[in-house]
Amino acid sequence: DIVLTQAPLSVSVTPGESASISCRSSKSLLSSKGITSLYWYLQRPGKSPQLLIYQMSNLASGVPDRFSSSGSETDFTLKISKVETEDVGVYYCGHRLEYPPTFGGGTKLELK
Amino acid sequence: QIQLVQSGPELKKPGESVKISCKASGYTFTDYAMHWVKQAPGKGLKWMGWINTYTGKPTYADDFKGRFVFSLEASASTANLQISNLKNEDTATYFCARLTSDFDYWGQGVMVTVSS
Repeated sequence: DIVLTQAPLSVSVTPGESASISCRSSKSLLSSKGITSLYWYLQRPGKSPQLLIYQMSNLASGVPDRFSSSGSETDFTLKISKVETEDVGVYYCGHRLEYPPTFGGGTKLELK
Repeated sequence: QIQLVQSGPELKKPGESVKISCKASGYTFTDYAMHWVKQAPGKGLKWMGWINTYTGKPTYADDFKGRFVFSLEASASTANLQISNLKNEDTATYFCARLTSDFDYWGQGVMVTVSS
C-alpha cells in the first residue's frame, strides 16, 4: 500500500497569517493519464471530512481560494493563506491512484 | 441537494453484530459507487472498501475481509455496512462516502461503540 506521511503533526497559526502542511508519498502519484492523484481534506471537529483539493492542485467546489496546493510526483504542500477561525481542524492528504486509497496521518491546525 | 444520511449511534457488546445504513438522496443512486471509511477515536481515516451500486458487487480492503459485509437496498437508495462478531477494536465512526475524481459527498458518520 502507498504510505503518505504528513508533517508537522500540528501547527499553531495566528489568524490572518499563513500555514503550510506537507505530505510525502512512498510512491509516485502520477497516473498513466498524467494526473497526479493527490487529495487534501479538512475535518472540522465532530464533522465529516470535506474535500479541499483534488488531483493535487484543483480547488474543490465551494472551497475558498485561500487554499492552494502544489507538488511533484511524491512531495506535496497545502498552503492556507490568511487563516480564519473556520480553518481549524485536522487536515489529511489522501491518494486515489490505486486500491487501496490511503490517507496521511493528519495535521492538526489550531489558532494562537 | 445531494445528501448521504446515516443511521444513529450504536452500543454493542463484543461478539454481537451491527448493521448501519447510509441513505442517499438527490442523485441516481446506481450511478455512483459507495465507499466506506473507518475512523477510530482520535485516529485517522482508513478506507474499508466500496460497493458497486449498479451490480451490488462489494470490494473489501484486506483488513476488512471476513466480518464486514457491504450490501444494498437499491430500491431505497440505501447502502448498508454489517459487522459481525464485534471486537473492541471495531469501536469507531464509520462514514459512507461518494467519492469521485473531483468531488466528494460524505455521510455524517455513525459512532459504533463496542463495550462489555
